Amino acid sequence: NAGVTQTPKFQVLKTGQSMTLQCAQDMNHEYMSWYRQDPGMGLRLIHYSVGAGITDQGEVPNGYNVSRSTTEDFPLRLLSAAPSQTSVYFCASRDRGAYNEQFFGPGTRLTVL
Amino acid sequence: GDSVTQMEGPVTLSEEAFLTINCTYTATGYPSLFWYVQYPGEGLQLLLKATKADDKGSNKGFEATYRKETTSFHLEKGSVQVSDSAVYFCALLIQGAQKLVFGQGTRLTINP
Repeated sequence: NAGVTQTPKFQVLKTGQSMTLQCAQDMNHEYMSWYRQDPGMGLRLIHYSVGAGITDQGEVPNGYNVSRSTTEDFPLRLLSAAPSQTSVYFCASRDRGAYNEQFFGPGTRLTVL
Repeated sequence: GDSVTQMEGPVTLSEEAFLTINCTYTATGYPSLFWYVQYPGEGLQLLLKATKADDKGSNKGFEATYRKETTSFHLEKGSVQVSDSAVYFCALLIQGAQKLVFGQGTRLTINP
């Protein structure tokens, strides 16, 4: 199993550009999430999904869109990048159930100039 | 709302020192509690967990006990190594909820 994979690993954008961060998991997990990690802020939840076709907002959803057309994939879209979106982005997945471990991808480091 | 508070870092210790990283929580229901570790340049990995009061989670020499009376889940290790240098996150999950709630993280540096 590859676990949770993310691409790209690094990305530099100019303000106003759009891009999609890819996330895939091969563990057949129902729940998937996107977080951003900023210095001193811990992890903040952007969007999450409890299954294909179902998504919901987290703490900091503004400026980001998601969709979940398959169990495996959960892409994060930035429609018009802003410098405030400079961060490290982590995708995660877990199986249904209160005690189940959440698995994280290796992260995407995004810089918006 | 549900929240997790960790001791502020960074924490710097010498090799073989005793480690405690404090974690307290506020929860509306009955949470499961977790410690995650993030090594430099990597994603988070589960270190240990506890699912009910008085449970003790342990892994790689680290331990944490779920204390309902003090709403705490402090992380301890008797003798730290340089390889333990990382950022440690405390987290909770309310039964029936979809989202993990994370603390802000504590950066630990161990000097030889």
